[in-house]
Amino acid sequence: GAVVSQHPSWVICKSGTSVKIECRSLDFQATTMFWYRQFPKQSLMLMATSNEGSKATYEQGVEKDKFLINHASLTLSTLTVTSAHPEDSSFYICSARTGHRYEQYFGPGTRLTVT
Amino acid sequence: ILNVEQSPQSLHVQEGDSTNFTCSFPSSNFYALHWYRWETAKSPEALFVMTLNGDEKKKGRISATLNTKEGYSYLYIKGSQPEDSATYLCAFGDGGSQGNLIFGKGTKLSVKP
Repeated sequence: GAVVSQHPSWVICKSGTSVKIECRSLDFQATTMFWYRQFPKQSLMLMATSNEGSKATYEQGVEKDKFLINHASLTLSTLTVTSAHPEDSSFYICSARTGHRYEQYFGPGTRLTVT
Repeated sequence: ILNVEQSPQSLHVQEGDSTNFTCSFPSSNFYALHWYRWETAKSPEALFVMTLNGDEKKKGRISATLNTKEGYSYLYIKGSQPEDSATYLCAFGDGGSQGNLIFGKGTKLSVKP
């Protein structure tokens, strides 16, 4: 149980284009979803927290107009990287939380490369 | 800024060796400490959630201890096997309303047959 999928697992895009990453909870309802980014040899850094049906809360230093998060249902959240730049190349991973407050279940992540 | 430190950064052991690594976290505003096991190309898998000072948890050959007063947790693996090779992450939760976690950089364990 508590499976989270993420799609795509990797993507290469050109500078200036937008990329959408999907995060789905497959067998539970996720009231809260989290989006993290990880640069090489660094820790998972929280980008934003989204609750179903409301606007995402972004961490300091994360541009909300650049990283659009939509949590339209209890099983799906999307992260859209708009006008991607090479410095946005990173590993993006989502997690979802159920009713239990501190258990987070992770997707397998998406490797984004912007050329 | 809350900081979670893990050591060592990487570890190479022989099959059958027992090993342990450390997670240090802020001792104030503690709510929960999580351990995850992350194999390459897979989702991080939750190992333990620990909330009480002095807590000890065990799952097969893997166990963890928690000291919230001094801000550290140890993860132990007894009789390491090649399939234990993974990155082990710890994450600190301060009890905020959203349940946000702050992660360490992880300890990468390689077990040689």
